[in-house]
Amino acid sequence: KAGVTQTPRYLIKTRGQQVTLSCSPISGHRSVSWYQQTPGQGLQFLFEYFSETQRNKGNFPGRFSGRQFSNSRSEMNVSTLELGDSALYLCASSVGQGAATNYGYTFGSGTRLTVV
Amino acid sequence: AQSVTQPDIHITVSEGASLELRCNYSYGATPYLFWYVQSPGQGLQLLLKYFSGDTLVQGIKGFEAEFKRSQSSFNLRKPSVHWSDAAEYFCAVGTYLNTNAGKSTFGDGTTLTVKP
Repeated sequence: KAGVTQTPRYLIKTRGQQVTLSCSPISGHRSVSWYQQTPGQGLQFLFEYFSETQRNKGNFPGRFSGRQFSNSRSEMNVSTLELGDSALYLCASSVGQGAATNYGYTFGSGTRLTVV
Repeated sequence: AQSVTQPDIHITVSEGASLELRCNYSYGATPYLFWYVQSPGQGLQLLLKYFSGDTLVQGIKGFEAEFKRSQSSFNLRKPSVHWSDAAEYFCAVGTYLNTNAGKSTFGDGTTLTVKP
């Protein structure tokens, strides 16, 4: 059974650019959540998508957005990149909306974004 | 608001010795609690979870954790540590109340070093 797949694994971007990260959840998992991980702030929740709708959102500026497709694959976009956006972005899938509360997440290996 | 505290940033144990990683939580109801492990450059892997029933839960890789409501704790233990257990460990609480339903709040992590 394939795990959660995130692409690309590594990315280097320049300040002001935008970036799109992709996540394919485990087959049958309909909920996709995104987290940002940095040494200073730890793991911070970005948003959760279920049935192509954003169900929950963390405290991030509007430059961070996402979407989910009918096949449950998800993308997140960061516009007007800042140096502080350098982080490991983790995608996590779970069976259903809010199911991470009951069952926990299955995480991908992450996309390491470096903004220069 | 919910919170998770992992008091130990870094722990070093000898291979074969026992291990206990501490986790304290704050939550307005009976919590859903998780332990995850993260190897360098990888995503997080779920070790075990608790949401009801027996307060001692068993997980993968020989780990166990005990929920103590009176102490608001959920400490992770392993009787004999292996070199491959060196990693970062995260405690998390899954929220299901109000608008935060479905999201997990993570502690800052404890880095485990295993001495030969």
